[in-house]
Amino acid sequence: DAGITQSPRHKVTETGTPVTLRCHQTENHRYMYWYRQDPGHGLRLIHYSYGVKDTDKGEVSDGYSVSRSKTEDFLLTLESATSSQTSVYFCAISAPVGTTWGNEQFFGPGTRLTVL
Amino acid sequence: AQKITQTQPGMFVQEKEAVTLDCTYDTSDPSYGLFWYKQPSSGEMIFLIYQGSYDQQNATEGRYSLNFQKARKSANLVISASQLGDSAMYFCAMREAAGANNLFFGTGTRLTVIP
Repeated sequence: DAGITQSPRHKVTETGTPVTLRCHQTENHRYMYWYRQDPGHGLRLIHYSYGVKDTDKGEVSDGYSVSRSKTEDFLLTLESATSSQTSVYFCAISAPVGTTWGNEQFFGPGTRLTVL
Repeated sequence: AQKITQTQPGMFVQEKEAVTLDCTYDTSDPSYGLFWYKQPSSGEMIFLIYQGSYDQQNATEGRYSLNFQKARKSANLVISASQLGDSAMYFCAMREAAGANNLFFGTGTRLTVIP
């Protein structure tokens, strides 16, 4: 199994509070991603990173920011959580397309976030 | 337009029978990959099978095979000899060579295997 961990695994918070989710990998993969999963939508990309300090927005980036100061860690921050951000958040990693592991994208176990 | 379309919200199959889960995709990138993931009730995303756009043969992995019809832009997952443990959500996804290399997901199909 790919070495990806997410913390926390579950969190309940209140509207307006900041929240940070952490993704940690031991595979030294270049690309890291944050997705959210909601009923009826599948998984949607929030932000991604293609290297240390290199990040960009995905499809549903409003209200979220990310940081990647080390290859192994990718942080997702909700500056001021809202009820619409209640979701399951998945981190994923991959190597560039065309490399040995470029045909796979591995997922972490997910974080269930509830914003009251 | 949706990049990945899964038109079957739910499917039932008898144990030991085969089942096909449908997936169509939309892209103008000539280089892309198609993935299927399984998500059991425990919630993790399990990679099942991959098909590259230039692959000549349909991908197979054990009881899973991907029926790739490029002209129709379809990438159906076939599960042979269904087992009770196959009951789960199944997601089709696509990755384009251009851009972020992220996956675009369909909305999923919930498969229930009946004993």
